[in-house]
Formats: sequence, C-alpha cells, structure tokens
Amino acid sequence: KNEVEQSPQNLTAQEGEFITINCSYSVGISALHWLQQHPGGGIVSLFMLSSGKKKHGRLIATINIQEKHSSLHITASHPRDSAVYICAAPSGAGSYQLTFGKGTKLSVIP
Amino acid sequence: NAGVMQNPRHLVRRRGQEARLRCSPMKGHSHVYWYRQLPEEGLKFMVYLQKENIIDESGMPKERFSAEFPKEGPSILRIQQVVRGDSAAYFCASSPHQQGNTEAFFGQGTRLTVV
Repeated sequence: KNEVEQSPQNLTAQEGEFITINCSYSVGISALHWLQQHPGGGIVSLFMLSSGKKKHGRLIATINIQEKHSSLHITASHPRDSAVYICAAPSGAGSYQLTFGKGTKLSVIP
Repeated sequence: NAGVMQNPRHLVRRRGQEARLRCSPMKGHSHVYWYRQLPEEGLKFMVYLQKENIIDESGMPKERFSAEFPKEGPSILRIQQVVRGDSAAYFCASSPHQQGNTEAFFGQGTRLTVV
C-alpha cells in the first residue's frame, strides 16, 4: 500500500512569499493529485499530474516519477491561499483507491 | 454542469439514531467514492460504487455502515446506531472512469456530529 508523506505539516508565510509544499510516496504510480481544502469547506482538485510540470495561475505542480516526489508551489502568495493542501496517490499501481497525505495547513499573513 | 452535490452539509444525530448522507455525482459520472475525514486526520477511503453495484467496500466498517448507488437517485451512505466516534466529515467524489488516473471531483462534504 502506498505511503504518502507531506511536509511541512504547518506553514505560515507573509503575503507575497513563494511557497513550496512537498509530497513523497512509496509505490510507483502513474498520476498524483493535489487538492485544496478551505476550513469547513469542500475539497477542490487543483492538479492531477503524471509527469513534468503543470501550471494554473499562481500554482505550479511538479512531479519526479523516478524519485517518487512531487511539489506544489504558490507564487506571490495571498491570504486567500490560506487552506489545507493535500496530496493523494493511488494506493498501488493501477489502483483506483486514493491514499491521502495528512495535509499541509498554510496560513498566509497580510 | 453542477458539481458533486452532497446533503445535508451538516447533520447532528444523537447516539443510537441513524444518519443518511446523500451524494449526487456530476452529470455523466457513474463512479462514486466515499471518504471519511476524522478530526485531525487525513482522508480515508470507505467505499467505491458504480450504478447499482458496490465495487469495493474494504474501507467501510463491517457493522452499522452501508452504501448504495441506485439506478435512479443519489448515492446514499447510511450509518445505523451512530456513536460519538462516527463524528467526522464525509466526502463523496465522482469520476467518469475509475479514479486514480482520472481527475477527482469532490463534494462539499457532510459534517456529522453525534451528540
């Protein structure tokens, strides 16, 4: 079963800072998900990526399949980016079950 | 195209009562997944359903919990005789194909509080 680890657990940043959240997993997979959860809110899918890099606005996600590692970057962070960011990977190769990291709680201070 | 709709958003039940959580997948999606998020813990897989079929319920407690996805209507997660430990956020996700290598679309969740 895939073990998904995220770091850091908590992150406080000043508005405008560049933010990096890391995710590592133990079982080779073909795609990894990054999700966002606001306090008391639902879960929004940010990215699903299987190789290289994806960009959406100020968010960038990268993945290194060989090293079993992915990063989520936020450029020019803003208080509205404050949320919990979760990475999720299939439990095994070809599995439909997702294993989730415990999340990174990001607080961006004005 | 409305997203994944879950209701109710908040549900309070007394110990011993039944809780029914509903999930309407996105239009065109026939795969539904239920996840549970306990306080201060990550999301955990509970059950995977397709229309009228339970594909995998390995993450769901054997007793008191059941799920269905009928031909017509929403998917239902049912918890009988609720206990305090059932208090959690329950999320539903849907996809057009098997999740894993397909983008996941999640609902807003139902926050169950057992008093």
